[in-house]
Amino acid sequence: RKEVEQDPGPFNVPEGATVAFNCTYSNSASQSFFWYRQDCRKEPKLLMSVYSSGNEDGRFTAQLNRASQYISLLIRDSKLSDSATYLCVVNYAGNNRKLIWGLGTSLAVNP
Amino acid sequence: DAGVTQSPTHLIKTRGQQVTLRCSPKSGHDTVSWYQQALGQGPQFIFQYYEEEERQRGNFPDRFSGHQFPNYSSELNVNALLLGDSALYLCASSLLAGSDTQYFGPGTRLTVL
Repeated sequence: RKEVEQDPGPFNVPEGATVAFNCTYSNSASQSFFWYRQDCRKEPKLLMSVYSSGNEDGRFTAQLNRASQYISLLIRDSKLSDSATYLCVVNYAGNNRKLIWGLGTSLAVNP
Repeated sequence: DAGVTQSPTHLIKTRGQQVTLRCSPKSGHDTVSWYQQALGQGPQFIFQYYEEEERQRGNFPDRFSGHQFPNYSSELNVNALLLGDSALYLCASSLLAGSDTQYFGPGTRLTVL
């Protein structure tokens, strides 16, 4: 089993739609979780951190479920500019602190 | 406040050659991590530098080496290039004692022919 797994998609949705991505992780000792956004041929940019209590930033909502070891990202009222690859990232704290990345989920928002 | 910068932006090499990529971290950051991202893949962790030492390393061969300078900037060196080394090489900076958030540079796109 991969350390971090995502559905690669692509997800094709119309403008205004609500879309949700899930990401599962295998190491229960994971301590920090993030969603990054990456546009084609560009570097990843932090979209949001994911907290145990869940967090919301405008149209974006992130949730963490430690018991089931997954995180989710919900995008409401999709815009054309949301088209990108969304990368799930998990950080294992401690002496081997490093970021483990999923392969990304591709989203295309269509007019 | 300058963000993370990398140079060069693009590079073309042939098999067997050596390459050096450079990274300057975000102002105030002391830790630099290097990643390799092949087309259609997520970034793969190569190694991380702090206080001019390699703190941890991913699953990459010894052909991949690095260095961090007193001003926190860093270099990634790859020897004996293979075709499979063609990828986007990303540098990310962070503050070791701070949050886990990493900030990425624009990357160097390496093509090995």
